[in-house]
Amino acid sequence: DAGVIQSPRHEVTEMGQEVTLRCKPISGHDYLFWYRQTMMRGLELLIYFNNNVPIDDSGMPEDRFSAKMPNASFSNLKIQPSEPRDSAVYFCASSPQGRASPLHFGNGTRLTVT
Amino acid sequence: SQQGEEDPQALSIQEGENATMNCSYKTSINNLQWYRQNSGRGLVHLILIRSNEREKHSGRLRVTLDTSKKSSSLLITASRAADTASYFCATVLNQAGTALIFGKGTTLSVSS
Repeated sequence: DAGVIQSPRHEVTEMGQEVTLRCKPISGHDYLFWYRQTMMRGLELLIYFNNNVPIDDSGMPEDRFSAKMPNASFSNLKIQPSEPRDSAVYFCASSPQGRASPLHFGNGTRLTVT
Repeated sequence: SQQGEEDPQALSIQEGENATMNCSYKTSINNLQWYRQNSGRGLVHLILIRSNEREKHSGRLRVTLDTSKKSSSLLITASRAADTASYFCATVLNQAGTALIFGKGTTLSVSS
């Protein structure tokens, strides 16, 4: 079990650029979650998927953010255009039974927008 | 808005001592989970307690849940330096379709 794999681990970009964060969930897990962590706001749920279908995207801060899950083994989160206030650690997590079971987290992508 | 709030925000103890962290929440839950996060890493699940359970144990961890007070506690007994981390409670509301909502965490420092 390789766990949840996120890439890249670190991303530094300039304001206005497009950023793409990637996630490979654990095989067999039907739920995938994107969270954002900052010192000020803690861990915020951005969006989650069940069987590749977005269920709740109410946490996506603005239209600049979008997330897709084209198949069961891949999801990406895009920010276009990026802004300095998007700087945070972005985590992907997966679980076999959604809210009834523990989440397995990746090690996150630390995004810095200058 | 935060559903769960951990208390204290930070805790410093010596190896061998017990560490107790508390979590309070606002609305009816389906279950409550505790996670640990080491610096620079993702969160790791520790224990899940359902709304009809009052206490669970896992190794040196003991979790209690008081739904009447809307609170939970995590006790780590005989702490070790390796327990140094941030600890988060996460709640799952009874409302269908909702995902885990995390508190801001307690930072535990265990010195040897």
